[in-house]
Amino acid sequence: GAGVSQSPSNKVTEKGKDVELRCDPISGHTALYWYRQSLGQGLEFLIYFQGNSAPDKSGLPSDRFSAERTGGSVSTLTIQRTQQEDSAVYLCASSLGAGANTEAFFGQGTRLTVV
Amino acid sequence: AQSVAQPEDQVNVAEGNPLTVKCTYSVSGNPYLFWYVQYPNRGLQFLLKYITGDNLVKGSYGFEAEFNKSQTSFHLKKPSALVSDSALYFCAVRPKSYGGSQGNLIFGKGTKLSVKP
Repeated sequence: GAGVSQSPSNKVTEKGKDVELRCDPISGHTALYWYRQSLGQGLEFLIYFQGNSAPDKSGLPSDRFSAERTGGSVSTLTIQRTQQEDSAVYLCASSLGAGANTEAFFGQGTRLTVV
Repeated sequence: AQSVAQPEDQVNVAEGNPLTVKCTYSVSGNPYLFWYVQYPNRGLQFLLKYITGDNLVKGSYGFEAEFNKSQTSFHLKKPSALVSDSALYFCAVRPKSYGGSQGNLIFGKGTKLSVKP
């Protein structure tokens, strides 16, 4: 597709269940980011992948959160044993190349609701 | 700690008047600076960026931003606001690292712009 694609667009899950959120970046983009946006809050950095380098996981809030990027393309963010405070919009972005001056393109996000 | 501050949670402007959305940053060195806009129920869209050179950067939809190194600011501006500009605006910085390789984008908390007819 032309843009960053995220699925599902909405996810309602019960507390304690695991969820997987998917991100398809723009073809050819080597950098991929995950952010979390809570109501009334800004964007909270979660994790960053760049090419074949080790990911920057410094933003993951707990060990219940993990992410993978297979084949340098699609990424999956997994949240284990979900809690109500995990409810938020999870945004994925990708950018071209390794230059720090390249802008990131965002997907529409996955709205996660933990009940 | 590296951070971005958007001191105003909300900015209210009458249509046709100039608007300014403020952003200041605390990052070592000279970072790359970005503005994004988020319309209701939409993803973030890139507006403009400052890399180097002219301190006044022009972007999409008639927006521009002025980089001020001494004040570590990157305020977003538009000479004449439109009702359709009403949205959430985010300032972001990416610190330059060795070799210019990418790192994390650090975002401000966002400023809600409301333009009234």
